[in-house]
Amino acid sequence: AQSVSQHNHHVILSEAASLELGCNYSYGGTVNLFWYVQYPGQHLQLLLKYFSGDPLVKGIKGFEAEFIKSKFSFNLRKPSVQWSDTAEYFCAVNARNAGNMLTFGGGTRLMVKP
Amino acid sequence: DGGITQSPKYLFRKEGQNVTLSCEQNLNHDAMYWYRQDPGQGLRLIYYSQIVNDFQKGDIAEGYSVSREKKESFPLTVTSAQKNPTAFYLCASSIKGPGGYTFGSGTRLTVV
Repeated sequence: AQSVSQHNHHVILSEAASLELGCNYSYGGTVNLFWYVQYPGQHLQLLLKYFSGDPLVKGIKGFEAEFIKSKFSFNLRKPSVQWSDTAEYFCAVNARNAGNMLTFGGGTRLMVKP
Repeated sequence: DGGITQSPKYLFRKEGQNVTLSCEQNLNHDAMYWYRQDPGQGLRLIYYSQIVNDFQKGDIAEGYSVSREKKESFPLTVTSAQKNPTAFYLCASSIKGPGGYTFGSGTRLTVV
């Protein structure tokens, strides 16, 4: 079975700082990859997803993620964070032979100080 | 607007009581899921259903039960056998293919 690791549980940044959140998965086959965001008091929303093609994918609100197959990683980045990016971020993996099932990482709680 | 509705938003239960959490979707999605969210543990799968009248246990199904009598509805019952039921419960749905999930806004259950 696949697993997903998000090594940073809590991240605190000042506005305009650059962000990179790590995500590694353990599965040797073909995968689809997702990042979800949960703003305070709101439901989880899809930030971006990777299925195939260009390993650098762009999502909403200036976020991007890069799939590095050799490192089993799908790190989330944003060049300059804003206070409104304060949220919890979840990486998720779908193994191609697992239908539509997602396995989630433990989440990273980001706080951006104004 | 299409979406997933979870109710109630907050629920309090006495120890030893069963309680049912509602999840309804009007997205015409075939698959529905229940997750439990605890701080630092991410989302853990309780039960899922790929089609009406069929459902499967997830990683932490003990103490929970579900039904899927209609495509739109996937209620979760937290039974008295669940040893640590206080948590945030999320319902999600998806199409058959790997397109990702749509989530509801969650129910926070507190056992008092």
